Amino acid sequence: ETGVTQTPRHLVMGMTNKKSLKCEQHLGHNAMYWYKQSAKKPLELMFVYSLEERVENNSVPSRFSPECPNSSHLFLHLHTLQPEDSALYLCASSQEGSSQETQYFGPGTRLLVL
Amino acid sequence: GESVGLHLPTLSVQEGDNSIINCAYSNSASDYFIWYKQESGKGPQFIIDIRSNMDKRQGQRVTVLLNKTVKHLSLQIAATQPGDSAVYFCAENGETTDSWGKLQFGAGTQVVVTP
Repeated sequence: ETGVTQTPRHLVMGMTNKKSLKCEQHLGHNAMYWYKQSAKKPLELMFVYSLEERVENNSVPSRFSPECPNSSHLFLHLHTLQPEDSALYLCASSQEGSSQETQYFGPGTRLLVL
Repeated sequence: GESVGLHLPTLSVQEGDNSIINCAYSNSASDYFIWYKQESGKGPQFIIDIRSNMDKRQGQRVTVLLNKTVKHLSLQIAATQPGDSAVYFCAENGETTDSWGKLQFGAGTQVVVTP
């Protein structure tokens, strides 16, 4: 257990569905991240939140909409996704401003878009 | 552009032998490096990190070596065990003005431990 939890662990959705991914960190960190991991490719940074404010939006399509209501919770709202959006979505957290910039990851949500 | 990459996509190691996983980085401004392990069905797990003011750091059964001259990072696993089978990523912080909070990851090396 890394102190970062994600739900659901698996999700199958149609292209017209709306769903949300949830992430919660129990580490007292002040920054949270969404990554997309596709097969045999490096992790792709999607969004970064620091102190609940979005500081990075890495050219992500608008069909992905993040929300950070507080420093412990992060959501990724999904709507009208495409089959190529099928991937593992990873949440991470870190303590920015500290001497250690390590990001700690959750187990991920395996998403399949039909 | 700047990138982080791994030399070998797959490494097969016999149980009990030592493993060496290599990583090349090209951003000379990076001053913090991390190794992660990702087992099947799980998220990346922090293994060990090193700052650029060091060239070696040891953990439990793992050692990270940093050679800034040739921009090379390696992870050594001693007495490799079946539980070490996973994908290993290196990451760098790639210090630039717009790199806030970013880590740049390599594609990963698959380590397979054989009996």
